[in-house]
Amino acid sequence: EPEVTQTPSHQVTQMGQEVILRCVPISNHLYFYWYRQILGQKVEFLVSFYNNEISEKSEIFDDQFSVERPDGSNFTLKIRSTKLEDSAMYFCASSGPATNTGELFFGEGSRLTVL
Amino acid sequence: GDSVTQMEGPVTLSEEAFLTINCTYTATGYPSLFWYVQYPGEGLQLLLKATKADDKGSNKGFEATYRKETTSFHLEKGSVQVSDSAVYFCALVTGTASKLTFGTGTRLQVTL
Repeated sequence: EPEVTQTPSHQVTQMGQEVILRCVPISNHLYFYWYRQILGQKVEFLVSFYNNEISEKSEIFDDQFSVERPDGSNFTLKIRSTKLEDSAMYFCASSGPATNTGELFFGEGSRLTVL
Repeated sequence: GDSVTQMEGPVTLSEEAFLTINCTYTATGYPSLFWYVQYPGEGLQLLLKATKADDKGSNKGFEATYRKETTSFHLEKGSVQVSDSAVYFCALVTGTASKLTFGTGTRLQVTL
């Protein structure tokens, strides 16, 4: 069964360092997303991406964040200068070509720890 | 804005016990409602959904009914199994937007 894959599963970084989280969405999907969950808190929407551009982003997704689909298969989230409060589980998701119905397919998540 | 409130976990049950995980919501529009589940070591998976009032979503023995009058979408299962141990997330989406609004998740632990 097709699945969304994310790497790395866990990354530890120093505050101020750049981090890139990678995702391979399901191959025929057209919509891509990043969500995050700070420990003990809600899963929060960060950004959605369609047709090679951001379609929606949350207030969390400030200038420190960027997304890219560099090669038609990977979908990346970059954090330019990490802060302690960026420590969280980051989930990538994708959805199919039909009009969105809220049925997203999620990866296992990448846990980011900022020291 | 939209929000989802779930009961605090963890919920610990014996196998074959009845499960209820409460979920209530507030939404500016007319939402579609979802339950996602995350098994250990896996990503979130759609468990069931309901798109309009009084709809009942069901899957794998789990059910939830969209109650507009009480703005609720409680998850139930008549007889849980150890394999149901997971984190369960209630979520909503309004309009045609793809931005899901999630609750905090409720961890379910089922023991023999």
